[in-house]
Amino acid sequence: QKEVEQNSGPLSVPEGAIASLNCTYSDRGSQSFFWYRQYSGKSPELIMSIYSNGDKEDGRFTAQLNKASQYVSLLIRDSQPSDSATYLCAVMHSGGYQKVTFGTGTKLQVIP
Amino acid sequence: GAVVSQHPSWVICKSGTSVKIECRSLDFQATTMFWYRQFPKQSLMLMATSNEGSKATYEQGVEKDKFLINHASLTLSTLTVTSAHPEDSSFYICSAPGQGRTYEQYFGPGTRLTVT
Repeated sequence: QKEVEQNSGPLSVPEGAIASLNCTYSDRGSQSFFWYRQYSGKSPELIMSIYSNGDKEDGRFTAQLNKASQYVSLLIRDSQPSDSATYLCAVMHSGGYQKVTFGTGTKLQVIP
Repeated sequence: GAVVSQHPSWVICKSGTSVKIECRSLDFQATTMFWYRQFPKQSLMLMATSNEGSKATYEQGVEKDKFLINHASLTLSTLTVTSAHPEDSSFYICSAPGQGRTYEQYFGPGTRLTVT
């Protein structure tokens, strides 16, 4: 079974600090990885996608991928209270069909 | 671009009745759409893959006769929950892959279903 694992948290960080969110996946053939942010009662919003090993930066967000370790992470710099949400890691299965498996999410709390 | 809408945003129905939820891609065509269900404090669970012009593909454990999916056009997929029961109360969300090779998925705003 293809699994995506995340620490459920909550992860609490002070405002202005760096929040580090981690994710591991079991399907070694996976090629596409995504981070979504979900506020309570809302649908997920795409934050970052990453397809190759290394870092990808977009504003305050940096996604990191290590396929050898089957590990994906998301760093949020200068965390703001508005960043408080649940962050979902998603992995697209190898074999196509564009299906993704979501982790259970990490709840982030940014303390003012 | 890549906007997905859902209707209704919330619905309350009585046990035993059927409810239809619509998912539309507003500014792009989607030959494939996905339907998810999310219970409180849980992650998204894929229910089925909706394919334009053909039968939907259901995930293991999802009753295809209870959750009817119709993808009649390149911009519209519908999910009908038939003979709804209180345990079907959940947050139903659809998504569609974006254009190009990025494989990013764009989600509708979701539909909150409450069965009384």
